[in-house]
Amino acid sequence: DVKVTQSSRYLVKRTGEKVFLECVQDMDHENMFWYRQDPGLGLRLIYFSYDVKMKEKGDIPEGYSVSREKKERFSLILESASTNQTSMYLCASSTVTGGWSLETQYFGPGTRLLVL
Amino acid sequence: DQQVKQNSPSLSVQEGRISILNCDYTNSMFDYFLWYKKYPAEGPTFLISISSIKDKNEDGRFTVFLNKSAKHLSLHIVPSQPGDSAVYFCAASARETSGSRLTFGEGTQLTVNP
Repeated sequence: DVKVTQSSRYLVKRTGEKVFLECVQDMDHENMFWYRQDPGLGLRLIYFSYDVKMKEKGDIPEGYSVSREKKERFSLILESASTNQTSMYLCASSTVTGGWSLETQYFGPGTRLLVL
Repeated sequence: DQQVKQNSPSLSVQEGRISILNCDYTNSMFDYFLWYKKYPAEGPTFLISISSIKDKNEDGRFTVFLNKSAKHLSLHIVPSQPGDSAVYFCAASARETSGSRLTFGEGTQLTVNP
């Protein structure tokens, strides 16, 4: 089974702090994604990566950065946390299969971040 | 600009009956569609998918229907079970232009009452 783990289930931080959210997958997947989930807004893509040291902006990258130094690890960084970044953060990974089907994304359990 | 919309935030059905969850999209480049299910305190899990070359895909109790002309898809669950109670997300991909990126809807909370 694919396993995607996230470093923390719950996190409380203060405004202005630098926050690191870590995600690790154990299936040698090429693609990794960071989303945030908010009520009424669904899942919104923050950043994604197709390979080590590669990153691309998603739909809402402002206030975030990412790092992918190793294939299995994808980090989301909040440079200076703000209250509007209070949310559920979800990491996902997928592999490249080719063909007609789309690669299924496997999600971690999520990190609920509260910024005070 | 919400390209994938799930207009019903919640749906309640009786056990054994059919659950129908709906999803509309606006981007005509979308060519692959997925449904994910999410329980509280867990990440979403893949449920079923359909490509734009089909209009129906079935997997056990779950069937997804795609109406490309209406830019509408629906997920049917028959018969519904209490364990199906979860949030269901519709997602879409435009593989030619966006590769593996998914665009998600807002989600629909399904409650199946015993």
